[in-house]
Amino acid sequence: AQSVTQLDSHVSVSEGTPVLLRCNYSSSYSPSLFWYVQHPNKGLQLLLKYTSAATLVKGINGFEAEFKKSETSFHLTKPSAHMSDAAEYFCVVSARNNAGNMLTFGGGTRLMVKP
Amino acid sequence: ETGVTQSPTHLIKTRGQQVTLRCSSQSGHNTVSWYQQALGQGPQFIFQYYREEENGRGNFPPRFSGLQFPNYSSELNVNALELDDSALYLCASSFKPLPGTNEKLFFGSGTQLSVL
Repeated sequence: AQSVTQLDSHVSVSEGTPVLLRCNYSSSYSPSLFWYVQHPNKGLQLLLKYTSAATLVKGINGFEAEFKKSETSFHLTKPSAHMSDAAEYFCVVSARNNAGNMLTFGGGTRLMVKP
Repeated sequence: ETGVTQSPTHLIKTRGQQVTLRCSSQSGHNTVSWYQQALGQGPQFIFQYYREEENGRGNFPPRFSGLQFPNYSSELNVNALELDDSALYLCASSFKPLPGTNEKLFFGSGTQLSVL
């Protein structure tokens, strides 16, 4: 079984300040972890992916995430928020088994960026 | 743009009706997954098709069914619609060299289904 908990349903930051979106996961298997972003009326876009290589993963648009096995966390960060970062963000886990590429999504965090 | 297109973009149905949603995968992709995203929630896995065979199913009743065609386009069918079926339905395609591999998914923009 696998699950994902996003600890904040809403996060509000000012433009130019750091972003932290928190995620904890649970998985019976060695997990792959992802962050996806969803802008209104657009499809989900992959920001970054962890698959047991480096624990610090760099993604697109300046985002990065750190895998911490001891804390079962995979928090998403960005040093400086931009207005265009305002969107819904999903932390996702995928188990490495033969059940296909089933992704389990967290409930989402809505990021608001104030001017 | 991901190259994954879904139709229609919006749909209104009444309780008890049947609906078919369509997805055109990105060229070269052999796998399609369907997800249901209720308002204010994360997407939930419905099922996946790999080379026209179901390759995994989430916790959805049998009235949710699917097809994948030889050109790898796909349909999601929902019978006996219920009010709780109102959601955004997302299709995602990928290329898997083997059925159990874990490949990057490309999502469409979804079909917004409203059941009245």
